[in-house]
This record gives sequence, structure tokens and C-alpha cells, in this order.
Amino acid sequence: DTEVTQTPKHLVMGMTNKKSLKCEQHMGHRAMYWYKQKAKKPPELMFVYSYEKLSINESVPSRFSPECPNSSLLNLHLHALQPEDSALYLCASSQEEVGLEEKLFFGSGTQLSVL
Amino acid sequence: AQKVTQAQTEISVVEKEDVTLDCVYETRDTTYYLFWYKQPPSGELVFLIRRNSFDEQNEISGRYSWNFQKSTSSFNFTITASQVVDSAVYFCALSSGTASKLTFGTGTRLQVTL
Repeated sequence: DTEVTQTPKHLVMGMTNKKSLKCEQHMGHRAMYWYKQKAKKPPELMFVYSYEKLSINESVPSRFSPECPNSSLLNLHLHALQPEDSALYLCASSQEEVGLEEKLFFGSGTQLSVL
Repeated sequence: AQKVTQAQTEISVVEKEDVTLDCVYETRDTTYYLFWYKQPPSGELVFLIRRNSFDEQNEISGRYSWNFQKSTSSFNFTITASQVVDSAVYFCALSSGTASKLTFGTGTRLQVTL
């Protein structure tokens, strides 16, 4: 099983809502990532979890709150988002975080629209 | 600082044509890795290839081939006899130095038509 599964596939939320994005992998990977991708742009790294601990936060606003309940699950909690936060949110995993050679396995993303 | 440049924003070809996607990178590190990822309309990025800085051998995988030239800091990707299913955005990416994250190029959108 080489899948990274993300739910929901689409999400529309108001600026006062609280919602969560979910990501799951069963490949035994020890690192999980959140990326944000605006239309016609490359993915931008947001967070990295390594062995269930947050290892990288790319200066992401606090309205985005990541959580890694266990080695297979990664959540992204959203609160008080702005319309400019509308984007495709991609989850990825890799066998290990450390190492230049790590290849990433991506989910198909959650398309988020903030109204 | 590391940088990846994909100068071709969009390429349109007719099925069965060969097409080359260009990638030029910049890094001061001697040890680095280069990657190509494919992003079809479904959204997920799919890993295609990884090459380290010490291995300049070109690689062929079916209709796909990659040309790595350190002298020109390029890692170009060629699709032979393109097919409609090759339509996607292709990203070149670089991993180097102490940063454990990828630097992506801006991507090249490939449209293959019948």
C-alpha cells in the first residue's frame, strides 16, 4: 500500500469556522509533511513532523495548527482563516525526514476555499 | 541559497511527439539530490526520479529519460512518443545542504493532444 489518503477532498469554510484536514498513511513512514499550493505555483512547505514531533514550522500563521496523533495520522486544524488561505493543501510522507535523498509520497490534496 | 528554474511555463505537443522539459538548478553544495515529480489533474504529486550529484549517468525508464549535466547545472527530462496521459504539470526539485526540504521549480505544464 503506497497511498497517502487525505480527507476531505474539497472544503468550503467561512472565516469564522473551525475545520480540520486529515491525512493518513500506512507505509510505516516516519516523516509527514503539510504543503500549501496556490494555483499555478509550486508546493510550499508548511510543517514537517518527524517521529511524531514537529521538526519544521515554516513560519506559518497560528491560524494553522498541525497535529500528529500517531505515526500514521496527520491533522491540520484551521481557525479564523482568510480568503488568501484558499489553496490546495497537500499531505506527504517519507520514510525518514533527515537525508537529502528522501522521496516524498503525496496525497491528492484538499482543495480549500475560504469565503 | 538554492534555486531551481524551469523556464518553460507551458508546452503543447501532439501525441507521439518527443518533448524535453528543461531544469536548471543552483546550489553551492557539492552533495545534492535532484528530483522530478509529476502532478496530474487529480492533484497528487508523483515521484518520477531521484539523482544524486555524484551520479551523472543518464537514465532511461520506458518512454522517460533524464539527462544530468553538472557542467551546465541542468537536469532535463525527455518524454519520447508522448501520450495524452502524460498531460500534467512537471516539477523539478532540489535538495541540498542542511535543509531537509525540497526547493521546487515553478513547474512546466505539458499538454498532449490527439
